[in-house]
Amino acid sequence: SAVISQKPSRDICQRGTSLTIQCQVDSQVTMMFWYRQQPGQSLTLIATANQGSEATYESGFVIDKFPISRPNLTFSTLTVSNMSPEDSSIYLCSVDQYPRTFFGQGTRLTVV
Amino acid sequence: DQQVKQNSPSLSVQEGRISILNCDYTNSMFDYFLWYKKYPAEGPTFLISISSIKDKNEDGRFTVFLNKSAKHLSLHIVPSQPGDSAVYFCAARDAGGTSYGKLTFGQGTILTVHP
Repeated sequence: SAVISQKPSRDICQRGTSLTIQCQVDSQVTMMFWYRQQPGQSLTLIATANQGSEATYESGFVIDKFPISRPNLTFSTLTVSNMSPEDSSIYLCSVDQYPRTFFGQGTRLTVV
Repeated sequence: DQQVKQNSPSLSVQEGRISILNCDYTNSMFDYFLWYKKYPAEGPTFLISISSIKDKNEDGRFTVFLNKSAKHLSLHIVPSQPGDSAVYFCAARDAGGTSYGKLTFGQGTILTVHP
């Protein structure tokens, strides 16, 4: 299984600022995904990031709020822009190794 | 529209007994179903999966059963151990088009195994 490292593991941010979360995988993967888990909720897909193309966003998520980069087959970043307290969540990156999907340890974001 | 549902928010079981976690789905395009275990400060850990063409998959203490006609799957843990206490998520993988590889998660079931 892929080993996925996410940074930072947690952060407390001021509203109106932005945070970039990094996701590094120990092997080359085609598809990477970004999920969000709001407090007490399930995991919801934000977007799919394929190397060399624009990320594909799910309904309710937009590129201006959650810009994603995928510069190569082992790395991706998710930025949470212009944060508000409603963005306080756990953000998780994952990789697809068909038929399984593996997750990083998550980034716990608190916006104050 | 919730395509994957775990109707039991919590389950409490005695150590050594069987834990049964249930999951229902509505989308016939799902081709794989997965179970994850999650602790509060960690990402989900993959436990076991089952293809939509199978009805059972077993891995050690974990067995997943799939009933396609009822669109229902269940995870059996036997014997249950206190270390199994965590949140369990059922997830379904989409086989179709632009949704390929996407996972849809249930709401999760908090399992507590008492010594």
